[in-house]
Amino acid sequence: AQTVTQSQPEMSVQEAETVTLSCTYDTSESNYYLFWYKQPPSRQMILVIRQEAYKQQNATENRFSVNFQKAAKSFSLKISDSQLGDTAMYFCAFMVPGGSEKLVFGKGTKLTVNP
Amino acid sequence: EPEVTQTPSHQVTQMGQEVILRCVPISNHLYFYWYRQILGQKVEFLVSFYNNEISEKSEIFDDQFSVERPDGSNFTLKIRSTKLEDSAMYFCASSDPATGGRDTEAFFGQGTRLTVV
Repeated sequence: AQTVTQSQPEMSVQEAETVTLSCTYDTSESNYYLFWYKQPPSRQMILVIRQEAYKQQNATENRFSVNFQKAAKSFSLKISDSQLGDTAMYFCAFMVPGGSEKLVFGKGTKLTVNP
Repeated sequence: EPEVTQTPSHQVTQMGQEVILRCVPISNHLYFYWYRQILGQKVEFLVSFYNNEISEKSEIFDDQFSVERPDGSNFTLKIRSTKLEDSAMYFCASSDPATGGRDTEAFFGQGTRLTVV
């Protein structure tokens, strides 16, 4: 069974600074996807960024980038130039394609961006 | 932009009552999901639905739960006899692996907060 671990329950960062959220996972699969979802106070789940395991290049979406280390089974999220609107819960998630394609989530990291 | 819609946004029910949570997935999507998030905890997979049948369910999804796609647009989650521990946020999601799989993304609804009293 796949597991996802987020070891930082809470983090805070000053506006405009950079913060990195950690995620590790455990799987015996070779092909899979990794995701970071953002859940603001409104509780909606919003996809921030995705990474395909067969791609060596780290995914980037504007201020959000990942550091994907496949051998170490690590998938961290870096948020650059943090904004107040980035305040949210961030969930790391794992998915194996080809079956039900369900998402397996970590417990989340609560990020607070301070003015 | 297409979106997943869930109703109601909040439902309060008495223990032992049946509830039906409703979802309208994105119209051309083929996979449908229900997830649950107990307050302050992680999001947990309940069930996936494809081609008019359950493709996978978790151990949480016991005989008290059922899903249905009654009319080709709605996707419902029924809890037959609610318990206090069913209080949670329930998220519906849909995805469309048929587009090629490489852009697989699950789109989530805004959630239904279920409170069992």
